[in-house]
Parts: sequence; C-alpha cells; structure tokens
Amino acid sequence: NAGVTQTPKFRVLKTGQSMTLLCAQDMNHEYMYWYRQDPGMGLRLIHYSVGEGTTAKGEVPDGYNVSRLKKQNFLLGLESAAPSQTSVYFCASTLSSGGSYEQYFGPGTRLTVT
Amino acid sequence: GENVEQHPSTLSVQEGDSAVIKCTYSDSASNYFPWYKQELGKRPQLIIDIRSNVGEKKDQRIAVTLNKTAKHFSLHITETQPEDSAVYFCAAVYGNNRLAFGKGNQVVVIP
Repeated sequence: NAGVTQTPKFRVLKTGQSMTLLCAQDMNHEYMYWYRQDPGMGLRLIHYSVGEGTTAKGEVPDGYNVSRLKKQNFLLGLESAAPSQTSVYFCASTLSSGGSYEQYFGPGTRLTVT
Repeated sequence: GENVEQHPSTLSVQEGDSAVIKCTYSDSASNYFPWYKQELGKRPQLIIDIRSNVGEKKDQRIAVTLNKTAKHFSLHITETQPEDSAVYFCAAVYGNNRLAFGKGNQVVVIP
C-alpha cells in the first residue's frame, strides 16, 4: 500500500495564478483532511470530508476550495493564489469506523507564492 | 471547537536525560489524544496515543499520561537519544474525527 500520497511535492506560483493539489489514499478511509503548516503555527485545518461527495469548512477555509468526487481522492484548489498562502500543505485520512481516530499524513506539498 | 495549548515551545535536554511536554485542552468531551513526531522536512508521524478511559500508556521509552479532571496530558521520553530531536505535536479529537493540534514543541537532544 502506498498509504497517502500528494501531488505535486513542490510548486511555485505567481500571485493570482490557480492550482490544484491532489491527495490520494489507498486505505479505503472515509474521512480526509487538508491542513496547512506555517512556522510556529502548528497544523491548521483548511477543509475536510467525511465521505465521497461531501466537504466541510475547517479552521482556515478562506481562499481554498475542495472536492471529493471519488472516495480515494481529495482535491484542494487555490483559485487566485496570494503570498499569504505560501505554506506546506498536508493531506491526511482516517478510517472513522470502530472508534479509529488515527490520522495518516501524506508527505506534504511545499507551495511558494511570489 | 477544541483548543489545544502546548508548552514549552523549545526544550533542550542532554542525551540520556528525560523530556516532558505538556498539553492542555478545552473540550471536556474530547476522548482521544495523539502525539505526533515530525522530523525536518518530513510528514507528522503518530508515536503514541491515549484514550480518555486510560490514565497512562507506555511504549518502550515513550509514555503519555492523561489527567481528565485538569484537562491536560503529557508526553514523557526517557533516556533521550539524538534521534529523538524533532518537533512534537499534541492533539485532541473533536467533532467528525477532527484533530485540534497544539503549535508544537521543538525538542533538541544534546549529545
């Protein structure tokens, strides 16, 4: 099993450009999450999904959109990138059933917006 | 939502000594508390977790204690080694299996 994978690993955008980050998991997990990690700020939840076709806002959703068309994939979109979105983005997933709360993280995407 | 605070922000210890990191949480309904270790440039990895029906859990040199009354939990690393140097995050679960993370502790083990 590959676990949780993320594409791309690195990206540089100019202000105003758009892009989509892809998260894929092969563990048949129901719940998926997108976080951003900034120095000294820990991991902050952007959006999450509790199943195929569902999405919900997290702690810092502004400027991002998400879609979960397939159970194994969770996409994070930036429609008009801003320098404040320079960050490391992590995707995570969890099983959800049977009281299983452990979140498995992808390797991260380092995004720089100039 | 849940609010998790983590102290101290940086902890330096001599190799072989113990390290303790403490976290507090706000939501008394939280029932799951994981600790993640993140090495530089890597993803967070779960190292130990505890549920609210248990007061202490140990795995080799790592232990976690939970005080539900005071709403705090702590990570204990004994006989620290250079490979323990990393950032450690505590978290607490809340609605829809979301995790609220603390801001992280940088642990530096001095050889």
